[in-house]
Amino acid sequence: GESVGLHLPTLSVQEGDNSIINCAYSNSASDYFIWYKQESGKGPQFIIDIRSNMDKRQGQRVTVLLNKTVKHLSLQIAATQPGDSAVYFCAENLSSGSARQLTFGSGTQLTVLP
Amino acid sequence: EADIYQTPRYLVIGTGKKITLECSQTMGHDKMYWYQQDPGMELHLIHYSYGVNSTEKGDLSSESTVSRIRTEHFPLTLESARPSHTSQYLCASSRAGEETQYFGPGTRLLVL
Repeated sequence: GESVGLHLPTLSVQEGDNSIINCAYSNSASDYFIWYKQESGKGPQFIIDIRSNMDKRQGQRVTVLLNKTVKHLSLQIAATQPGDSAVYFCAENLSSGSARQLTFGSGTQLTVLP
Repeated sequence: EADIYQTPRYLVIGTGKKITLECSQTMGHDKMYWYQQDPGMELHLIHYSYGVNSTEKGDLSSESTVSRIRTEHFPLTLESARPSHTSQYLCASSRAGEETQYFGPGTRLLVL
């Protein structure tokens, strides 16, 4: 079936380094993708999104890249800080009948080392 | 920060009890959702609503039920809790015509 998944379950980076979190999706018809950050004990928090008519979108310290050819999505965090430690989820928007729902992949735990 | 609230935040309850998890949002969003999430795992959609008096089941089969009598309120009920219901339940909402969902803090449920 269709799925959204992450390449690595955990990622450790040094404070100040850049982080790259990857995500693969399998539904070529998906046209909207979103990254969420979930800190321990909290609900997911929106980070950045991108539509399929774009290859790149930048936010504050974050960049999302979309490669539709290989169905790959990545989240880049510049100058990673301790507060960036969290689980990161990607999600794609699947159209199911008349409903448009987000399908989430399994998360990547990002740990920022001092 | 999203104006979406969930109560209780934590709940420990015995098998067979009826429970209701509350979710409310003050953003006037038409669409609301309930997800189930085990620790460190992906979110699974169990219910959603596109507006008042509209409720649909999600991808993950669930023994829970929901209601949407008011736009801002989307409670989830378990008639008879079982240990298999132990999980985190996340509520979310979004504006009509938009895909971005805003999440509440979640309710962690433990059924003994």
